[in-house]
Amino acid sequence: DAKTTQPTSMDCAEGRAANLPCNHSTISGNEYVYWYRQIHSQGPQYIIHGLKNNETNEMASLIITEDRKSSTLILPHATLRDTAVYYCIVRVDREGSQGNLIFGKGTKLSVKP
Amino acid sequence: SQTIHQWPATLVQPVGSPLSLECTVEGTSNPNLYWYRQAAGRGLQLLFYSVGIGQISSEVPQNLSASRPQDRQFILSSKKLLLSDSGFYLCAWRSGVRNTEAFFGQGTRLTVV
Repeated sequence: DAKTTQPTSMDCAEGRAANLPCNHSTISGNEYVYWYRQIHSQGPQYIIHGLKNNETNEMASLIITEDRKSSTLILPHATLRDTAVYYCIVRVDREGSQGNLIFGKGTKLSVKP
Repeated sequence: SQTIHQWPATLVQPVGSPLSLECTVEGTSNPNLYWYRQAAGRGLQLLFYSVGIGQISSEVPQNLSASRPQDRQFILSSKKLLLSDSGFYLCAWRSGVRNTEAFFGQGTRLTVV
């Protein structure tokens, strides 16, 4: 699975959009980009994933660059409850793969009033 | 809809005592199941995964073991706990369909004293 690089921490004002970047310059053509977050003392929560096209759901939007070497997770209107560590993971389930997720250190997002 | 249950939420155990943490999944069949550990201030480390009843794979050598006695039940055990076993233990499941998201339980915070 390709390695990802994320900033260690970011701040965002409440009500503003939070844009969390992730670099994955070694991504291969069939690897997906997944985003999870972990609020303090809770289990990780799935947010969104995508392959090539931009994706949007009720939680966030995922923008993947055309060369797929980087992506941005966008929380359109951040709230205090969005304060968490956000993990960007790149992986693909190959034949016989067990679907393991390998977590890096993520970005600690602090939403401030 | 699918749900994952993990208990207990917190546990304090003396060194040398046994351990049994249980995880069950509802609303799906033949899930892939995972145990992760998160030590204080550290990232998530995959401990075990299982693709079926009685099938357990270990990712790292350690003082722990896992079992899957039923399709949707995953148990993490130890015969004698060490201080270094303290941490936040998370169970997760994924469907067998490739490139889908994982869902995590709320975790068990284990303190070995």
